[in-house]
Amino acid sequence: DIQMTQSPSTLSASVGDRVTITCRASQSISSWLAWYQQKPGKAPKLLIYDASSLESGVPSRFSGSGSGTEFTLTISSLQPDDFATYYCQQYNSYSSITFGQGTRLEIK
Amino acid sequence: EVQLVESGGGLVQPGGSLRLSCAVSGFTVSGNYMNWVRQAPGKGLEWVSLINSGGSTYYADSVKGRFTISRDNSKNTLYLQMTTLRAEDTAVYYCARAKGAQWLSFDYWGQGTLVTVSS
Repeated sequence: DIQMTQSPSTLSASVGDRVTITCRASQSISSWLAWYQQKPGKAPKLLIYDASSLESGVPSRFSGSGSGTEFTLTISSLQPDDFATYYCQQYNSYSSITFGQGTRLEIK
Repeated sequence: EVQLVESGGGLVQPGGSLRLSCAVSGFTVSGNYMNWVRQAPGKGLEWVSLINSGGSTYYADSVKGRFTISRDNSKNTLYLQMTTLRAEDTAVYYCARAKGAQWLSFDYWGQGTLVTVSS
């Protein structure tokens, strides 16, 4: 299985900050990567797919980049609603879909 | 409006069985790539299983041979039959739709149903 490693595990930031979360794959996954936001007690919400495509309805302050084994999610200016846990997910093959362990974004 | 509503969770003893359902409205289960994803309490997300529009099925190694994904096109409902349940299967189980055959990112999710495996 392809392992996905996110860093950092926890990130403390303030409203208005620019933040970046990194996701590394154990082998190349081309651009088959998605990012999700999850709030407590809720289902995940798709933010980015194919590494850099913004899902419909998601604010443009969210952006994704990368290919191969290294990917980043950037939030250009943190809003109060953005404090949540973020997951990356690779979908390189049907029988091997895996998520990162998550990054908790908390208020500084 | 798109809705996915899971049901069937509950408390089951180790070694027991349970069937989860996901009733879908707003699109057809048969025309989409449908998935189950689970999340153990306080833990991250784990993909469990996929059924594609052609009916082919795929499973995570952790559930292969114990879980079966299926669908009822007439009821527009997705199922997950779980057998030989273990304590480590305790989780909230979500059904989710993949954006497409090449884009196995999940754009619609249900609210989840909790499965607790305990004696």
